[in-house]
Amino acid sequence: EIVMTQSPATLSVSPGERATLSCRASQSANSNIAWYQQKPGQAPRLLIYGASIRATGIPARFSGSGSGTEFTLTISILQSEDFAVYYCQHYNGWPLTFGQGTRLEIK
Amino acid sequence: QVQLVQSGAEVKRPGSSVKVSCKASGGTFSSFTINWVRQAPGQGLEWMGGVVPIFGAPNYAQKFQGRVTFTTDESTNTAYMELSSLRSDDTAVYFCARQAVPSTGPNWFDPWGQGTLVTVSS
Repeated sequence: EIVMTQSPATLSVSPGERATLSCRASQSANSNIAWYQQKPGQAPRLLIYGASIRATGIPARFSGSGSGTEFTLTISILQSEDFAVYYCQHYNGWPLTFGQGTRLEIK
Repeated sequence: QVQLVQSGAEVKRPGSSVKVSCKASGGTFSSFTINWVRQAPGQGLEWMGGVVPIFGAPNYAQKFQGRVTFTTDESTNTAYMELSSLRSDDTAVYFCARQAVPSTGPNWFDPWGQGTLVTVSS
């Protein structure tokens, strides 16, 4: 099983600034990584797949990078609606696993 | 654009079973794996497994083997998740999520259902 570890657990950033979220896989996941955003009381929403491909309708301020075991989600200019919890997920084989999440909060 | 609509909240006694439905509308159903993911209160996301309706063979996460059953009804484009021998730590929101690409292998999830809260309490 691939264990996904996200850091930090909580990130405090001011609107208009850049946020960088990290995700590490316990073994190579190639580029088979997705990122999701979840707001309170809502289902997760797909942001990124293939480690760096933005899903349909996702703003260009969201970008993903990495391959193998180290991955990054960057939000370039934080908007108020971006404060949420973010999860990475690998789909490099069974079982699928998620990171424990990074809470992005307003500084 | 496919949408997944889940059944309503449930309150169950310990030791009982719960069956949650997930109805797809507006798109293709049979060729895409439907996954089930749960989220305990204040916790992260936990994959329970998935099933491809056209094949019917489910893939269960080891943790839930023997206690969970996935079924599908292609005539109504509906997937079901039944969890038995419920315990208090099964209290969670249960999501269905369709894989984005029709494949027997894993890929990313899009879209997701709205979630169903299952509360297990005596």
